[in-house]
Amino acid sequence: DARVTQTPRHKVTEMGQEVTMRCQPILGHNTVFWYRQTMMQGLELLAYFRNRAPLDDSGMPKDRFSAEMPDATLATLKIQPSEPRDSAVYFCASGGPAQATEAFFGQGTRLTVV
Amino acid sequence: EDQVTQSPEALRLQEGESSSLNCSYTVSGLRGLFWYRQDPGKGPEFLFTLYSAGEEKEKERLKATLTKKESFLHITAPKPEDSATYLCAVQPQGGKLIFGQGTELSVKP
Repeated sequence: DARVTQTPRHKVTEMGQEVTMRCQPILGHNTVFWYRQTMMQGLELLAYFRNRAPLDDSGMPKDRFSAEMPDATLATLKIQPSEPRDSAVYFCASGGPAQATEAFFGQGTRLTVV
Repeated sequence: EDQVTQSPEALRLQEGESSSLNCSYTVSGLRGLFWYRQDPGKGPEFLFTLYSAGEEKEKERLKATLTKKESFLHITAPKPEDSATYLCAVQPQGGKLIFGQGTELSVKP
């Protein structure tokens, strides 16, 4: 059963702490997206990768957020330092190699910064 | 600027009452338009991909259609289990996936 796996599912942290979220894309998928979802903004694209190379991270606050793909089976999103306004659900999604292909989402990481 | 607008924001239907959800888009070079369903506390679940104007896709009570400016998700004789938020996304040249704000559908028995 191919699926995108995200860890942790829930994270509560104090303001100023570092947060790392992890994503295992579906095997064989070469495109990985990171989204943030809030009630006010909906799904916002933070960054996406193709073949592990970052193609667009313009949606990400560069001073505190960073996204990487150390290898084809792992994508990470890091926030340092975290702030209360970062509280949201963070989704990872992966897609296949075709030019236009559907993306499959993980269950998300619910982040609360207090 | 690439944009996706969904309407209505919320839709309440009686069981069996058919209706349509709208997704209007402006995008530079559409590669694909996608419909997703999202249940509370879960990630979006893929439903359909449409690539060109005139294309239609069906799955159970759902039918998606595409024109050059918009897409419709038609729901025929909905059931309470169809209640969810329905999201539309477009993929322009370059590959990023841009989502609309979604339509929250509630179907009452």
